[in-house]
Amino acid sequence: GENVEQHPSTLSVQEGDSAVIKCTYSDSASNYFPWYKQELGKRPQLIIDIRSNVGEKKDQRIAVTLNKTAKHFSLHITETQPEDSAVYFCAASKTGNQFYFGTGTSLTVIP
Amino acid sequence: DAGVIQSPRHEVTEMGQEVTLRCKPISGHNSLFWYRQTMMRGLELLIYFNNNVPIDDSGMPEDRFSAKMPNASFSTLKIQPSEPRDSAVYFCASTPFQGAGYGYTFGSGTRLTVV
Repeated sequence: GENVEQHPSTLSVQEGDSAVIKCTYSDSASNYFPWYKQELGKRPQLIIDIRSNVGEKKDQRIAVTLNKTAKHFSLHITETQPEDSAVYFCAASKTGNQFYFGTGTSLTVIP
Repeated sequence: DAGVIQSPRHEVTEMGQEVTLRCKPISGHNSLFWYRQTMMRGLELLIYFNNNVPIDDSGMPEDRFSAKMPNASFSTLKIQPSEPRDSAVYFCASTPFQGAGYGYTFGSGTRLTVV
């Protein structure tokens, strides 16, 4: 099956700086890559996703890039704010249904 | 839409007791997933259903765990007998079964503590 690795496991940045989280996947047939944000004690929530026919997608301060050749994708958060502090999960899917999740990155934005 | 609804939100039970977790997916979503989340193992897929049919239960840890989806609007995850190592947050999620390109919507989760 698919294997998704996520780095780093923890990340601290100063408010206003950028944060980058990286994931790699093993199955070249994977074609859908969502990112989830989970605040403490809450459910994971979809924040952005990218399909394999697209190299980059942006939504305000959040962007995701995909390199199919290298089988890795990244989440970029610019101008970080304290409310961005959470655990972020990447995932990969080739069926659109069964997702394989990374182990999560705990992001702390220091005011 | 009320989203994916799980109950109970919290469950504390004694070792050996039966525990039943419940989930109502979003109306019209044909795929339903049960995940377990712990600090050590992260998000683990336990089982998922398409159109009420179990597709992959390879993540179910052992025979003590069972899941059913009797209709499109309801699913249960049962643990019998429960053990302290089952303590975790259990999430239910649903998605339209339309191929690649749709993220999960997670429920609020059930925090299970087995003492």
